Amino acid sequence: GAVVSQHPSRVICKSGTSVKIECRSLDFQATTMFWYRQFPKQSLMLMATSNEGSKATYEQGVEKDKFLINHASLTLSTLTVTSAHPEDSSFYICSARDVQGYGDTQYFGPGTRLTVL
Amino acid sequence: GQQLNQSPQSMFIQEGEDVSMNCTSSSIFNTWLWYKQDPGEGPVLLIALYKAGELTSNGRLTAQFGITRKDSFLNISASIPSDVGIYFCAGHTQGGSEKLVFGKGTKLTVNP
Repeated sequence: GAVVSQHPSRVICKSGTSVKIECRSLDFQATTMFWYRQFPKQSLMLMATSNEGSKATYEQGVEKDKFLINHASLTLSTLTVTSAHPEDSSFYICSARDVQGYGDTQYFGPGTRLTVL
Repeated sequence: GQQLNQSPQSMFIQEGEDVSMNCTSSSIFNTWLWYKQDPGEGPVLLIALYKAGELTSNGRLTAQFGITRKDSFLNISASIPSDVGIYFCAGHTQGGSEKLVFGKGTKLTVNP
């Protein structure tokens, strides 16, 4: 299957700092990428849909000024957690939409564990 | 919002046993996707289904797209310890957006 990478895999930062997470589709072009947040023992919660060359679409309750998304190319989307606070600590996972094959599929990155001290 | 009912929530089985889990919805789906997630990792796509009635295998895994388009099951035959993990169903609803609707997951434990 298609490969999606995420960097960094884990990050620890101080409260008030900003953290950038990169999501790359390595062997296919993705006009659409998604950013999820996952709490322990729960399913994935969609935060936003990232479309190449346009503004991201945020889910209800997700602060767009807090979670900045940029999808500058067909293989890269970035999520920046601005002025991070301990409550932002979580597991962040991206996915890339692949519609070039047989059907509409999403491939996920390995996730980024964010810890805000 | 859309709901996917995934069951069972958890399973404890012996190595070598077969496993079955399923997802149902009141809505019609155009796509069913089954993922496995290991601790601290992102979900990995196991099987993708795109047509009602479609039955697809991937090694010891078999999944089917229900004929009513409102359900799907995943079977694992002859389970092994590395099958341990959380299995999620997901799909695109008919007339819905590109966003996936997820089940809550089935946690599988395999005892050697």
